[in-house]
Amino acid sequence: GAVVSQHPSWVICKSGTSVKIECRSLDFQATTMFWYRQFPKQSLMLMATSNEGSKATYEQGVEKDKFLINHASLTLSTLTVTSAHPEDSSFYICSARRGQGLYEQYFGPGTRLTVT
Amino acid sequence: GIQVEQSPPDLILQEGANSTLRCNFSDSVNNLQWFHQNPWGQLINLFYIPSGTKQNGRLSATTVATERYSLLYISSSQTTDSGVYFCAVEQSGWGTSGSRLTFGEGTQLTVNP
Repeated sequence: GAVVSQHPSWVICKSGTSVKIECRSLDFQATTMFWYRQFPKQSLMLMATSNEGSKATYEQGVEKDKFLINHASLTLSTLTVTSAHPEDSSFYICSARRGQGLYEQYFGPGTRLTVT
Repeated sequence: GIQVEQSPPDLILQEGANSTLRCNFSDSVNNLQWFHQNPWGQLINLFYIPSGTKQNGRLSATTVATERYSLLYISSSQTTDSGVYFCAVEQSGWGTSGSRLTFGEGTQLTVNP
């Protein structure tokens, strides 16, 4: 149990276009989902936290107008990278938590974004 | 915010050897998780262990919350154990609504045949 999927697993886009990444909890309802970013040979950095039906909470330094997060249901959160630039190229990973009072997070397989 | 330090940063072993990875954290925690990131980037949950000891096959983990550290033991290592091992913690006092995982920098493990 506790499987999280992401789609697509990799994407290449041109500079200036937008890309949407989906994160789904397959066998549980996720009250909270998280989006992380990882550069090569580095650790994971939290970008934002989203609760179903609420606006996302962004970490300091993350542009909310550039990284749009929508948590429309208890099983789906999306991250849209708007007007992507080469410096947005990275590995994006989502995670989900089952419910209030439950702390363990389950991670998706990640999406590798390359902006040319 | 909470600080997380992992050691060693790099570890090279021969197949069959045992190893211990350490995670120190600077404040009390509600959550501590160990992950293995495989070569494709997938984070695999190894343990959810804010306190106590757990074992799963060749892996075991111990968290001493009062002394703010956790240890991950790998016994009889195999080449498939290679990858990055991350410790991540969630600080106490926030409940689940405002808290978040803070990751350490990881330990890069290489197991040679």
